[in-house]
Amino acid sequence: DAGVIQSPRHEVTEMGQEVTLRCKPISGHDYLFWYRQTMMRGLELLIYFNNNVPIDDSGMPEDRFSAKMPNASFSTLKIQPSEPRDSAVYFCASSLQDTKLFFGSGTQLSVL
Amino acid sequence: EDKVVQSPLSLVVHEGDTVTLNCSYEVTNFRSLLWYKQEKKAPTFLFMLTSSGIEKKSGRLSSILDKKELSSILNITATQTGDSAIYLCAVGPISNFGNEKLTFGTGTRLTIIP
Repeated sequence: DAGVIQSPRHEVTEMGQEVTLRCKPISGHDYLFWYRQTMMRGLELLIYFNNNVPIDDSGMPEDRFSAKMPNASFSTLKIQPSEPRDSAVYFCASSLQDTKLFFGSGTQLSVL
Repeated sequence: EDKVVQSPLSLVVHEGDTVTLNCSYEVTNFRSLLWYKQEKKAPTFLFMLTSSGIEKKSGRLSSILDKKELSSILNITATQTGDSAIYLCAVGPISNFGNEKLTFGTGTRLTIIP
């Protein structure tokens, strides 16, 4: 298996623009997680899905953030409008029922 | 709010040295503690610990949990430059059922000098 695949690897955008991050989980995994990593706060869970259904989005910072999982092999995280404080590395991870997470390589987001 | 604290924040040692990384936690409902290694990109799973006093080992890496002290250590013997990474500790549920989530520490940055 290719593992969790994220795109793009890097994204540089200007404040106010819409940003869409993409994730393909490992085939057969029924849990998908979106995390954000910063130097100050470490890894923070934003939202997670089980069988394509959002279960807990309490970590989503504001209404500017939204996530979807239209099918078992694809998820998006959207930020609209983006702000400089959104700059971080965004990770997608997937797992089976246990909490051993398999992470993607991340998207490095820079909002200028 | 659950809290996971790792120490030291960073560590620089010479190749061949042995290192010990620490993780302490304050959580309302402990179930498991996990260690991950993060090199340039994605964190990769190392160990899951659920029982106190039982050492988990993988090559030169080993880890043990102390539920009485609410802590865990990760040992790396005969370090190599490839061990340079950020080591993350997380605590949380064993399974994803229910509303509990993993809480991660901010990590220990380990640098091995040749």
